Amino acid sequence: GQNIDQPTEMTATEGAIVQINCTYQTSGFNGLFWYQQHAGEAPTFLSYNVLDGLEEKGRFSSFLSRSKGYSYLLLKELQMKDSASYLCAGGYSGGGADGLTFGKGTHLIIQP
Amino acid sequence: GAGVSQSPSNKVTEKGKDVELRCDPISGHTALYWYRQRLGQGLEFLIYFQGNSAPDKSGLPSDRFSAERTGESVSTLTIQRTQQEDSAVYLCASSPLAEAFFGQGTRLTVV
Repeated sequence: GQNIDQPTEMTATEGAIVQINCTYQTSGFNGLFWYQQHAGEAPTFLSYNVLDGLEEKGRFSSFLSRSKGYSYLLLKELQMKDSASYLCAGGYSGGGADGLTFGKGTHLIIQP
Repeated sequence: GAGVSQSPSNKVTEKGKDVELRCDPISGHTALYWYRQRLGQGLEFLIYFQGNSAPDKSGLPSDRFSAERTGESVSTLTIQRTQQEDSAVYLCASSPLAEAFFGQGTRLTVV
């Protein structure tokens, strides 16, 4: 499989900004997904980056550097409801592993 | 239906029994994934179907696990001789090209 690495847990304060980093193997890489998963629920799609750069969508932004095998998810104006796991996933084709490979997720804890 | 549907939503089974989990993907989605998620853990890849290609079974943890998919429709994940370690949520996702859409999962408890 393809190694997708992200921190296990992060803590941030309500109203602040947090950046969740993700690194991935570049062989066969097509694009990078971020999903949000609240406890006991299925993952839901947040963003998809194919090209280098920053994609902004409301309070959430996602960045990709293909040459560095690096992405981050930026969450602004944090709210208590943002407490969830954030899953980084790489889309791959060829290279021995096709499809979507997920990291283990980053558990984000928002404190008042 | 509007989304990925999985059944049953919950399943309690005795150790040693076989179980069959079902996934109805979104119509037209060529790709279908099965993942396992233990409590508080990340998604563990099990198997990937893409159209009529041979499935990628590299994530199946043992020969007790198998999955089938009929064309680009329903998929079933079968676990034979269940063990307590198989207790987890089994998530199915389908995809038209890139983005994956998840079902609500089947929570399997082996007692």
